[in-house]
Amino acid sequence: GENVEQHPSTLSVQEGDSAVIKCTYSDSASNYFPWYKQELGKRPQLIIDIRSNVGEKKDQRIAVTLNKTAKHFSLHITETQPEDSAVYFCAASYAGGTSYGKLTFGQGTILTVHP
Amino acid sequence: DVKVTQSSRYLVKRTGEKVFLECVQDMDHENMFWYRQDPGLGLRLIYFSYDVKMKEKGDIPEGYSVSREKKERFSLILESASTNQTSMYLCASSFRPYEQYFGPGTRLTVT
Repeated sequence: GENVEQHPSTLSVQEGDSAVIKCTYSDSASNYFPWYKQELGKRPQLIIDIRSNVGEKKDQRIAVTLNKTAKHFSLHITETQPEDSAVYFCAASYAGGTSYGKLTFGQGTILTVHP
Repeated sequence: DVKVTQSSRYLVKRTGEKVFLECVQDMDHENMFWYRQDPGLGLRLIYFSYDVKMKEKGDIPEGYSVSREKKERFSLILESASTNQTSMYLCASSFRPYEQYFGPGTRLTVT
């Protein structure tokens, strides 16, 4: 089955700095890579996703890049703000046929943005 | 707005008890999922269901079973709770194999 490794486990930055979280996956059939943000005491919520037919996707201050050859993808947050402090999870799945969207998650990264 | 609710936010049970965790979604989603969340381990899939009465094992199904008698409702059952099942349990639903919408979670403590 799929295996997703996520690094670093904790990340501490100053407000305004950039933050990068990296994930690797094992199954070359995976073609959908979402990122979820979980604020303290709240449920995970999708913040951005990328499909394997594109290499990069941006949404305001966040971006995701995908390298299919190397089987890794990364989340980039620019101009970080204290409200970006949360746990971030990457995930991978094969979205097609009868896959039903079963996700395999990484271990999570605790991001702390200091004012 | 998608709404996924779970029957309890906090639950304390004794070892050996049968435990029911219930999840309800109001968006007519076909797919529903149960995860457990433990620090440093991320979210691990226990079971999922792609239709009424249909279910498949996830990555860590041992000690758990599920039931989906109605489309909107997906139950997780711990037949005989053990202390190593103390965890945060998250339910999710999705319409297509893309975005999953999560419930608020149930923090289960087994003593």
